[in-house]
Formats: sequence, structure tokens, C-alpha cells
Amino acid sequence: AQSVAQPEDQVNVAEGNPLTVKCTYSVSGNPYLFWYVQYPNRGLQFLLKYITGDNLVKGSYGFEAEFNKSQTSFHLKKPSALVSDSALYFCAVRDPNSGNTPLVFGKGTRLSVIA
Amino acid sequence: DAGVTQSPTHLIKTRGQQVTLRCSPKSGHDTVSWYQQALGQGPQFIFQYYEEEERQRGNFPDRFSGHQFPNYSSELNVNALLLGDSALYLCASSFEVFHEQFFGPGTRLTVL
Repeated sequence: AQSVAQPEDQVNVAEGNPLTVKCTYSVSGNPYLFWYVQYPNRGLQFLLKYITGDNLVKGSYGFEAEFNKSQTSFHLKKPSALVSDSALYFCAVRDPNSGNTPLVFGKGTRLSVIA
Repeated sequence: DAGVTQSPTHLIKTRGQQVTLRCSPKSGHDTVSWYQQALGQGPQFIFQYYEEEERQRGNFPDRFSGHQFPNYSSELNVNALLLGDSALYLCASSFEVFHEQFFGPGTRLTVL
């Protein structure tokens, strides 16, 4: 069965510093990987996805993520954090080799960017 | 172009009651998935509808049921509500089942 782990409940970073939100996954084959962001009292907003191809994926709002198959990781990164990036971030995985499987989400990581 | 819309925004029910939540997918999307997000948790998959049929179901009891209409909109019904059903219910739409999902703002259900 597919699963996602976000090992950090909370990440704190100073404004202007680089940020990393960690995600590791477990699937039987090659994964489809996604990052979503959730602001208070809002639904999830799609940031980026990895399906195939270049391991470095660029997404919305200056975010990017690096797919590392050997480490089964898909960490979210941004070179310079903004206070407005403070939100809840979710990593999700789908195993396309197991038929019509749904997205499986991690528990989320709360990012706090301090001015 | 409207995104995914959900109604109502908030809902308060008592134990044992029944509730219906509604979702309209993003224009051009034909697949609707429902998720339950309990406080402090990630979304948990309930079920997915495509071509008016339930295509996939998560680990939720039969009290949770759904429907998809010819215009691709969808309903989530929950019977015999329990306190533990209190959560944010998210609807997500996509074009066919394998493409990225776009989420609505959710319906906050409180069961007293």
C-alpha cells in the first residue's frame, strides 16, 4: 500500500532564508507525487507535481521540489521564504501502477515564516 | 472560470441526523473525489465518482454514500451522524482519474 511521511510537524524559518519541507513516500512502482498548500479555513491549493522526467520540478509561488528515487523523497523547497508562505503543506502520492488509486496524503507540515 | 465550489460552508448537526454536502467541479473536469480532513490530520479519501459511478472507495462505512449527476456535480451523504464525523469535508475535481486534483474550500461539519 502506498504511504507518505512528513517527518516534521512544524518548520520555522526566517523571512528571506531558504526553506525545506520534507516528504518521503512508499509505493510499489514509480510514483506520482504532489504538493498542496492549505491556508486557514481554506481548501487545498495545488503547488506542483512530479510524474516523470526532470527530477527538479518547479511550481507555483516560487516553490520547487526534487524527486529522489534512491531516497524515496520529494522535498519541497524555496530559495527565499516569505511571511505569506506561512501555511500548512501536504505531500501526496499516487501509485499509477495499481490501477485507479486515490491520492494518499501525509499528515501535513506547518510552515511558519518569521519576519 | 469558476473553480471547485462547495456548499454549504458550515453546518451544525446533532448525533443521529443525516447530512448532504454538495460539490460543483471545475469547468472541464469530469471526476469528483471526496475527502475527510479531521483536525490536525491530512485529508482521508472517502470515494471517487466518474461517469456517475463510484470508482474507488476508501475505508469509510456505508453510512457515507454519494452521487454524481450528469453535469458532473456531486453529493456526499452521511447518515446516522457520529461525533467523530466532525471534520472538514473536501471535494476535489480532475479531468479523468489520473490528473491532478483541484480542491474546493470545503464544508466544515460539526456534530454535537
